[in-house]
Amino acid sequence: QSAPTQPASVSGSPGQSITISCTGTSSDVGAYSCVSWYQQHPGTAPKLIIYDVTNRPSGVSDRFSASKSGNTASLTISGLQADDEADYYCSSYTTSNTRVFGTGTKVTVL
Amino acid sequence: VHLLESGGGLVQPGGSLTLSCAASGFTVTDFSLGWVRQAPGKGLEWVSAIGGYGSDASYSDSVKGRFTISRDNSKRMLYLQMNSLRAEDTAIYFCAKYFHTTGCSHLDYWGQGILVTVSS
Repeated sequence: QSAPTQPASVSGSPGQSITISCTGTSSDVGAYSCVSWYQQHPGTAPKLIIYDVTNRPSGVSDRFSASKSGNTASLTISGLQADDEADYYCSSYTTSNTRVFGTGTKVTVL
Repeated sequence: VHLLESGGGLVQPGGSLTLSCAASGFTVTDFSLGWVRQAPGKGLEWVSAIGGYGSDASYSDSVKGRFTISRDNSKRMLYLQMNSLRAEDTAIYFCAKYFHTTGCSHLDYWGQGILVTVSS
């Protein structure tokens, strides 16, 4: 099972919007609406920020939004803030009854 | 909700180690649990998951046949038995809880992680 591909890094200035892509296959991202996104600050555990492709858990800022088209899921961060600087991972259920994380994207706030 | 891992440490290649995770703050039988690992400086890697009553265990290809996930709901504990350990198993291992939506499940709570180092 290969990991869905994410850009290694994305950067933006405060207030700008950025989008992170997550490109998988018809066996994972494209197979189900079971895509989630996680934010991880250095030295801490990941935090769920999106589930079921587009839904935000309670307490997660509405500056985070997401979508999916075919085998590619996308996460958009609007109104970029300093605290958004972190690593971001997509994750998907697979047709093999397993889960897979994307390769990860480091977001830098300039 | 609180998840606390224990049992990590240094082990020689080919050796075995068992990780434990103590769960609290939720009805354990209602939720699947799992393990995710992160090698130093690398990304997240899904390792294994198990259903609420200990059924439906699943594993990544990289650990299948070497690792065994189990749980003891009476003790509110999750375990990962790791055999035939390799250098590439060196990582921080996170215990995590799933929450279930219609047809899907996602990791909503995570432990702080525990380091496993495989080296001679």
